[in-house]
Amino acid sequence: ILNVEQSPQSLHVQEGDSTNFTCSFPSSNFYALHWYRWETAKSPEALFVMTLNGDEKKKGRISATLNTKEGYSYLYIKGSQPEDSATYLCAFGNNFNKFYFGSGTKLNVKP
Amino acid sequence: KAGVTQTPRYLIKTRGQQVTLSCSPISGHRSVSWYQQTPGQGLQFLFEYFSETQRNKGNFPGRFSGRQFSNSRSEMNVSTLELGDSALYLCASSLELADQETQYFGPGTRLLVL
Repeated sequence: ILNVEQSPQSLHVQEGDSTNFTCSFPSSNFYALHWYRWETAKSPEALFVMTLNGDEKKKGRISATLNTKEGYSYLYIKGSQPEDSATYLCAFGNNFNKFYFGSGTKLNVKP
Repeated sequence: KAGVTQTPRYLIKTRGQQVTLSCSPISGHRSVSWYQQTPGQGLQFLFEYFSETQRNKGNFPGRFSGRQFSNSRSEMNVSTLELGDSALYLCASSLELADQETQYFGPGTRLLVL
């Protein structure tokens, strides 16, 4: 069984706070790492696809880094807003068409 | 462009029955993956289809099966339902699910087994 772990499980921050979460995955047979945002009552929405060690991706106030040698990825949100409240999922691929998802980090941003 | 659609959205079945869920991918997408989410669990990979062929399969019993049609629409079937099959079933589509491609998820089908 392949473990993908995300921490923390949940996070409560105030509007304007910056925050980050971690996704840990096996460091062998790495193919890709995906990040998704999943808002309540909606479909998971892709944020980033990361494939190279040392990759850094940015979309607005959200950015992510990747370390495939040690098996982790960080997701950062700068200046959190209430609309950032969602569950953030990472998915590790050791094969081009099979992905293992973590249980997610549930973020709640209070106004 | 229309997104990924799944039908039905909600379903109630009893133990022992079987169920078929449907997924229509984004137009032009040929890869469809299925996932199960149960309370407290991450999305668990069921299987992936491309051009009517199952390319990969997760660790689920044989009661879970799927297929893909020539128009890329996919169905998954669960036979002899058990209480533990109650879950949210999501499908996701992509062009080929290769390289840096991402997956686009549907809204899910919530199945309740009584």
